[in-house]
Amino acid sequence: DAGVIQSPRHEVTEMGQEVTLRCKPISGHDYLFWYRQTMMRGLELLIYFNNNVPIDDSGMPEDRFSAKMPNASFSTLKIQPSEPRDSAVYFCASSKTGTGSEKLFFGSGTQLSVL
Amino acid sequence: QKEVEQNSGPLSVPEGAIASLNCTYSDRGSQSFFWYRQYSGKSPELIMSIYSNGDKEDGRFTAQLNKASQYVSLLIRDSQPSDSATYLCAVSMDSNYQLIWGAGTKLIIKP
Repeated sequence: DAGVIQSPRHEVTEMGQEVTLRCKPISGHDYLFWYRQTMMRGLELLIYFNNNVPIDDSGMPEDRFSAKMPNASFSTLKIQPSEPRDSAVYFCASSKTGTGSEKLFFGSGTQLSVL
Repeated sequence: QKEVEQNSGPLSVPEGAIASLNCTYSDRGSQSFFWYRQYSGKSPELIMSIYSNGDKEDGRFTAQLNKASQYVSLLIRDSQPSDSATYLCAVSMDSNYQLIWGAGTKLIIKP
């Protein structure tokens, strides 16, 4: 299995632009998670899906952030408009069952820089 | 508010020695405990999980859990330079999937 695949690996954009991050989870995994990691705040859960349905989006910082999962093999995280404080590494992760005892498989992350 | 606390480090350990990483958590209802390793510029990867009090060993790694004192630790024996990384502690209650993450401890193994 190729693992969790994220694109792009790096994204540099200007403030006010729309940014779309993409994720393909491991086949057969029913849970998909979007995390953001910064030096100041560490790893933060933004939103997670079960069988393509958003379950908890309480971590999404503002209405500028939105996430979708149109099918079992694809999810997007969109920021519109982007701001410099959105600069971070965004990780997508997936797991099979989603229980608290389940291992998370992380993608390689997207390094986002908003100028 | 549920919290997971780790010393940010860096923790510097000579090669071949034992590295000891500690993590405390605030929620007594926590059931599952994880140690993830994250190399610089890479994503976290699970190295140990523990669910009951006591020690769990896997190769050079030993996880220790003490629910009464609300701490979990990770011991790395015969430390190697390749163990240099940030180690993240994560805790969850099974009834609510959300993992609570510590800020991580940066470990440096000196040759």
